[in-house]
Amino acid sequence: GAVVSQHPSWVICKSGTSVKIECRSLDFQATTMFWYRQFPKQSLMLMATSNEGSKATYEQGVEKDKFLINHASLTLSTLTVTSAHPEDSSFYICSAKQANTEAFFGQGTRLTVV
Amino acid sequence: DQQVKQNSPSLSVQEGRISILNCDYTNSMFDYFLWYKKYPAEGPTFLISISSIKDKNEDGRFTVFLNKSAKHLSLHIVPSQPGDSAVYFCAAKGQGGSEKLVFGKGTKLTVNP
Repeated sequence: GAVVSQHPSWVICKSGTSVKIECRSLDFQATTMFWYRQFPKQSLMLMATSNEGSKATYEQGVEKDKFLINHASLTLSTLTVTSAHPEDSSFYICSAKQANTEAFFGQGTRLTVV
Repeated sequence: DQQVKQNSPSLSVQEGRISILNCDYTNSMFDYFLWYKKYPAEGPTFLISISSIKDKNEDGRFTVFLNKSAKHLSLHIVPSQPGDSAVYFCAAKGQGGSEKLVFGKGTKLTVNP
């Protein structure tokens, strides 16, 4: 299957700082990228959908000013968690897809805010 | 409101036997269903999918069954192998070209040698 790379795999940051997570489709051009969040023993919850060159569409309850998403090219999307707090600690996963294909997921990023 | 439900948090089977993972959904607008496999600290890997116009889709050892009237689907793995041990997520997608996936909480499958 297609390869989606997410970086970093894990990050620890201090409360109040911002953290950027990158999601890259390595061998295909992704028309759409998705960002999910997963709490322990819970399902993946979609945070936002982004299309290259346009603003992300956020799910209800997700603060767009806190979770900044940029989809600068067909192979790169970034999620920036601004002014992180301990409650933002979670597992963040991106996925990417082309038209008429299934979505392929990155390996996820474990964020710990201390 | 959990639109996709996987009521069994865990399942344990013997190697060589059949594993049956179940999933129920409440939204009748879902028309496409997927199963993903996930290892710890990794992203989900697509396994198999089924459209609502079908009731069965088979790919090697994996078969997905869909019962639309019961809003129920199941993933059968036969024969089960120790390498199948992982968390399996059921996901659903709605009509109208929506790409949004709604996931269940997952079922942790353990295949014992």
